[in-house]
Amino acid sequence: AQSVSQHNHHVILSEAASLELGCNYSYGGTVNLFWYVQYPGQHLQLLLKYFSGDPLVKGIKGFEAEFIKSKFSFNLRKPSVQWSDTAEYFCAVMPTGANNLFFGTGTRLTVIP
Amino acid sequence: ETGVTQSPTHLIKTRGQQVTLRCSSQSGHNTVSWYQQALGQGPQFIFQYYREEENGRGNFPPRFSGLQFPNYSSELNVNALELDDSALYLCASRTGTDSYEQYFGPGTRLTVT
Repeated sequence: AQSVSQHNHHVILSEAASLELGCNYSYGGTVNLFWYVQYPGQHLQLLLKYFSGDPLVKGIKGFEAEFIKSKFSFNLRKPSVQWSDTAEYFCAVMPTGANNLFFGTGTRLTVIP
Repeated sequence: ETGVTQSPTHLIKTRGQQVTLRCSSQSGHNTVSWYQQALGQGPQFIFQYYREEENGRGNFPPRFSGLQFPNYSSELNVNALELDDSALYLCASRTGTDSYEQYFGPGTRLTVT
């Protein structure tokens, strides 16, 4: 069965620190990969996506992610976090041809001013 | 904002009752999916509707049912509510079943007492 693992449940950083959130998935075929963010009280928003091509993708608000096929990973990074990045971050996978997203359990990021 | 709207925002029901949640998809989107997000978890796929037909379902019992209307809006119905049905219910729409990018609504928070 497909699964998505986010090993960091809660990450606390000071402003200007660098961020890396891990995401691993288990699926043998072609996948489409996503990171969503859920700010407090707001709906899920797409941060970035990977369908094909350059494995390093850039998203909104300075976020980027790297797809490493051999490691089944799609880690999210940001060089310098801001207080406004405090939110819940979800990694999601949609296998090619599938109807739905498979989400990880999420990582709560708290940025301390 | 994604253009996907959901109603109501919050709902409190008693165990055994029935509930109907509503979703209006983004303009031009004919495919609607429903997800359940329990507290502290990632969203889990319930089912998807495409052109008024269910065309994909997750691991949810038959008491979870849905409809899609000609204008592509959708309803999620849950019968015989259980305490574990308490969750945030998310609707997501996309332009078609061959599009991988989904746009989420703000969700309906259901509490079952």
